[in-house]
Amino acid sequence: NAGVTQTPKFQVLKTGQSMTLQCAQDMNHNSMYWYRQDPGMGLRLIYYSASEGTTDKGEVPNGYNVSRLNKREFSLRLESAAPSQTSVYFCASSDDRGRAPDTQYFGPGTRLTVL
Amino acid sequence: KNEVEQSPQNLTAQEGEFITINCSYSVGISALHWLQQHPGGGIVSLFMLSSGKKKHGRLIATINIQEKHSSLHITASHPRDSAVYICAVTTRNTGGFKTIFGAGTRLFVKA
Repeated sequence: NAGVTQTPKFQVLKTGQSMTLQCAQDMNHNSMYWYRQDPGMGLRLIYYSASEGTTDKGEVPNGYNVSRLNKREFSLRLESAAPSQTSVYFCASSDDRGRAPDTQYFGPGTRLTVL
Repeated sequence: KNEVEQSPQNLTAQEGEFITINCSYSVGISALHWLQQHPGGGIVSLFMLSSGKKKHGRLIATINIQEKHSSLHITASHPRDSAVYICAVTTRNTGGFKTIFGAGTRLFVKA
């Protein structure tokens, strides 16, 4: 089992460029999440998907879009990157199914710099 | 005020010392998590608990629901324990659950 995989590991963008961060999990989890991590702050939820076909905004959704392509894959898109989106992005998954919270499993992260 | 507060922010210990990291929260929770983030950046879940105490190897996590407080203890600390330790709480919201993360405690264990 690979767990949660993310691509790319590193990316540098210029302001205004677009890109998609990819995430996949092979644990048959229903819930998937995108977080950003900034220095001195806790992980903040950008978007999440409780099941295939559903997505919901988290705490900091502005400037991002997501797609839950199937049960395995959950992508995060920056349509027009801004320097404020420089951050480390983590994808995570869990099997909580809305009944009870479960452990979240994290990908290795994507370090994004927007110039 | 953040809903999840950790203390201390930074901690340096000598190898072999007993370490305690504290977490206080201000919301009703369904579960509390302790996670470890190594210098390489990867995040691993250590514990999920909703009451009492859990132990795994040299790590012990406790929670006091009435006081809204949890502690993570490391016995016989080792340089390989150097990492950022993150406390997070899961609360119920419409449609499911929401997890709120603390800012983390950076631990450095000297040989």
